[in-house]
Amino acid sequence: NAGVMQNPRHLVRRRGQEARLRCSPMKGHSHVYWYRQLPEEGLKFMVYLQKENIIDESGMPKERFSAEFPKEGPSILRIQQVVRGDSAAYFCASSPPGIQTDTQYFGPGTRLTVL
Amino acid sequence: TQLLEQSPQFLSIQEGENLTVYCNSSSVFSSLQWYRQEPGEGPVLLVTVVTGGEVKKLKRLTFQFGDARKDSSLHITAAQPGDTGLYLCAGAGGTSYGKLTFGQGTILTVHP
Repeated sequence: NAGVMQNPRHLVRRRGQEARLRCSPMKGHSHVYWYRQLPEEGLKFMVYLQKENIIDESGMPKERFSAEFPKEGPSILRIQQVVRGDSAAYFCASSPPGIQTDTQYFGPGTRLTVL
Repeated sequence: TQLLEQSPQFLSIQEGENLTVYCNSSSVFSSLQWYRQEPGEGPVLLVTVVTGGEVKKLKRLTFQFGDARKDSSLHITAAQPGDTGLYLCAGAGGTSYGKLTFGQGTILTVHP
């Protein structure tokens, strides 16, 4: 009964490189959410996806960030041309299909460090 | 924009004491979640409260959702060192379907 899985757990990138963060939701879950936790700050919503659809990306920076949840495979959060301010913990959460999207289960996170 | 004010930000107590963490907002939420997060890990769901006035108990933890669904509290009875951690409240619903709005968190330290 695996929970939400994220990889890698730690990622180091130099400024200007690309970062790819992966999230596999819990079995049977079709809703995926990405959150960012900056040092000394709370969790902030970034994007909400269902299979092949972006439902709400209101929390995602307009440039350099993109997310997808393909029909097959994990959800990917992609950050292009990373900058030091992107250093943070990125958490993925999932919830089951249906209207009850309130209860979300979180993965262990990917800690991104930009040098 | 929905905001959740969580207090206190830090709480340091002795084993055996009781404590309450508060989460307040001017917005109405369809539900409210409480999570606990350990260093280096993701938030772990403790409870979801949905109905105004609802009270849920989880061993020594008591969660309450305000009648107007704008506020919530977490009460821990006879705290133990194992309760040490970061506690987060998160509201869902309203105009932000699918999106959780988190409070700033309460760092609880229980000394033996």
